[in-house]
This record gives sequence, structure tokens and C-alpha cells, in this order.
Amino acid sequence: DQQVKQNSPSLSVQEGRISILNCDYTNSMFDYFLWYKKYPAEGPTFLISISSIKDKNEDGRFTVFLNKSAKHLSLHIVPSQPGDSAVYFCAASAMYRDDKIIFGKGTRLHILP
Amino acid sequence: DGGITQSPKYLFRKEGQNVTLSCEQNLNHDAMYWYRQDPGQGLRLIYYSQIVNDFQKGDIAEGYSVSREKKESFPLTVTSAQKNPTAFYLCASSSGQGYGYTFGSGTRLTVV
Repeated sequence: DQQVKQNSPSLSVQEGRISILNCDYTNSMFDYFLWYKKYPAEGPTFLISISSIKDKNEDGRFTVFLNKSAKHLSLHIVPSQPGDSAVYFCAASAMYRDDKIIFGKGTRLHILP
Repeated sequence: DGGITQSPKYLFRKEGQNVTLSCEQNLNHDAMYWYRQDPGQGLRLIYYSQIVNDFQKGDIAEGYSVSREKKESFPLTVTSAQKNPTAFYLCASSSGQGYGYTFGSGTRLTVV
């Protein structure tokens, strides 16, 4: 039973446009959410996170939105650049219960020239 | 520089042989994790350890073994019992506070 779901295996976006990656979760105990970016043959790197007490967190071109009632979060990348082409993993944890982070299956983002 | 190191980057193994993947961290993190990545499967947890001399099975532990004799080191052995060992293996560590993991650069294991 997947607790963190990324329903789009891949997404193609024109360079300069907005990329929106979506993620849904089922466990209401999750209170901390993260996005990781992964290039082929490399380990994932941390991108941005959000605590459940917030509904938005911004870092440069990256913004994460959290809708707790819908158990949904999204990552917005504006403007999209060629170097953003990678696999993006959504992840969640219940910080005060367990350190384990649950990952989604990932979305492969292609930025088109 | 603090970080987490996995070696080797590429590893080839003959069927029926055990092989050990190395993972070392100098971040003073208490918790360490092993994941496996297969195409379309995301990251699947093999084993994790939250403290020295203690570890727990993850979702796909069969055919794998680990040890945690030192805080800095969490080696993973892929045994001959693992049916489909060819994959990309990732090691991670964390401070144990739920703020996220630091990942190594991975080891690609190929069974020939």
C-alpha cells in the first residue's frame, strides 16, 4: 500500500515555462514533506521541504505547496531550465514518531528546448 | 568536508557469489539506510539502522544482510539468495530528527 503517490511517471515541459509536479499521500500522521532531485547514476539530493504547519515554502525558482485537507503537495519550478531535467521524488515523514522517510516512485521531468 | 561515501561505483558479480557494498559517513549521523532503485520502482528500503549494533529489516530485506559495528559504517551484503540483485543501491544517513536524509552517490551492481 503506497503511502506516498506520484501518479505521473513522466512530465515534459518547455524551457522557460512552469513545471508542476504533484504528489498525494494517505497517512495523516505525516507532518514533514520533502522533494529530492536525482540525476542518473547519482544519489538523490535534497531540494526543498515543508512542515505541515505551513502551506507554502519558497526557495528561488522552487516552491512547494501543501494542501493538508486534500493530502496533496506540489512542486512548482519557475522558470524551468534544461538542468532541471531529472527524476523528482516526493517524500514524507512523521517527524516525532519515526525518522523513516517514505518515498514516492518519482516523476521524470524532461525540459524541452 | 562531511559526507557519505559509497564504494565502489560499479560492481560486477558472478551468479552465486556474495558481494559487500561499502557505505561510510563522517556526518556523525546516528541513522543509516540502504535503498535499492529499479526502473519504475522508486526507492525501496532494504535495511536501516538507528543506532550502533542495531538494525531493522525494511520492505525488501530478503537476500540481504547488514552490520552496524561502528557509527560511521553500514555495509550491505548482497547474498546469493537475492533473486534479482542487479540494481542501483543507495546508502543514506540522517541525524534521526526526521529532517531528511543525505544520500551517497550509489553503487551499480550487475550480476553476470
